[in-house]
Amino acid sequence: DQQVKQNSPSLSVQEGRISILNCDYTNSMFDYFLWYKKYPAEGPTFLISISSIKDKNEDGRFTVFLNKSAKHLSLHIVPSQPGDSAVYFCAASDPGGFKTIFGAGTRLFVKA
Amino acid sequence: DAGVIQSPRHEVTEMGQEVTLRCKPISGHDYLFWYRQTMMRGLELLIYFNNNVPIDDSGMPEDRFSAKMPNASFSTLKIQPSEPRDSAVYFCASSRTPQGRNEQFFGPGTRLTVL
Repeated sequence: DQQVKQNSPSLSVQEGRISILNCDYTNSMFDYFLWYKKYPAEGPTFLISISSIKDKNEDGRFTVFLNKSAKHLSLHIVPSQPGDSAVYFCAASDPGGFKTIFGAGTRLFVKA
Repeated sequence: DAGVIQSPRHEVTEMGQEVTLRCKPISGHDYLFWYRQTMMRGLELLIYFNNNVPIDDSGMPEDRFSAKMPNASFSTLKIQPSEPRDSAVYFCASSRTPQGRNEQFFGPGTRLTVL
């Protein structure tokens, strides 16, 4: 049973436009969420996170939104750049913080 | 800092052989994690250690898989005997705090192919 779901395996966006990557979770105990970015032949790298006490966190071109009632979060990238082309993983952890559950990932293609 | 180091980067072996994957975490990090990435299941946590002690191995698929951390700077993930369905990319990651409260730093991964 997947507790963190990224239902879109891939997404294609034109350079300069907004990229929106979505993530749903089932465990209401999750209280901390992270996004990781992964390039081919490299390990995932941390991108941005959000605590459940917030509904938005922004870092430059990247913004994560959290809708706790819907158990949904999204990552917005504005404006999208070709260098953003990568696999993005959504991840969540519970208050104990001892286990982080990752989604299957969404591959983003940003076309020049 | 060199980051998390994994070896080998690529491993091709035949079914039934023993495979050992190695990891050196970032110095000072007291948590170490082993993950497996497949197309079907994404990134799965296999096991994690705190201060060299295994804390949760519920993600280890079966008894063929074992992991050790003999000291703070080295960990191994062993598969014996290996099977074709074990083919995947295996990542090691480390962090300073309980995962979920801070970012994890991942190694480049070991791509394992079992023929």
